[in-house]
Amino acid sequence: NAGVTQTPKFRVLKTGQSMTLLCAQDMNHEYMYWYRQDPGMGLRLIHYSVGEGTTAKGEVPDGYNVSRLKKQNFLLGLESAAPSQTSVYFCASSYGYTGELFFGEGSRLTVL
Amino acid sequence: GDSVTQMEGPVTLSEEAFLTINCTYTATGYPSLFWYVQYPGEGLQLLLKATKADDKGSNKGFEATYRKETTSFHLEKGSVQVSDSAVYFCAQFNQAGTALIFGKGTTLSVSS
Repeated sequence: NAGVTQTPKFRVLKTGQSMTLLCAQDMNHEYMYWYRQDPGMGLRLIHYSVGEGTTAKGEVPDGYNVSRLKKQNFLLGLESAAPSQTSVYFCASSYGYTGELFFGEGSRLTVL
Repeated sequence: GDSVTQMEGPVTLSEEAFLTINCTYTATGYPSLFWYVQYPGEGLQLLLKATKADDKGSNKGFEATYRKETTSFHLEKGSVQVSDSAVYFCAQFNQAGTALIFGKGTTLSVSS
């Protein structure tokens, strides 16, 4: 039972490059989330999705795009990476508005 | 806007000591409240929750009581173990009720 899987787990980018983080869940959850974790800032919500084909902005959406073409996948894109986007990114999913989120192990992104 | 505020860390304790990590919230109404734990190198996982005032959530020896009078949800454990060393996050739903917002996290380090 894989749960929530994020790929890649580590990535180094140069400023201006683009990349996509993939999140996959096998629990048939409707809701999926992308957070970023930074020292002293805790977790901040970037974007989320309440179902296939829907997305919504969170607290810190600027510089990111997302897509939810399939229920089990939630993609986070950086079109033009900036050093301020150096962070650990966590994907999470939930069955409903229960507040019980299942998290992936994180993806560490460094932008030089 | 809605938010949660946690005590600053790190918290350093000896094994078998009593633990309190403070959390207060601001919200319209009475949101469900949560404590999540993040062990080193892992994603967050739900530790306990409370859905209404005066509810007590408990799990793995940890407890937290939802107190609307003081808008607090402090985490406590009577006797900590080295294995409790982790980062603890208090959380509540955002105003739309569609995603969790987290506090900045409190690092707990327990030594034997």
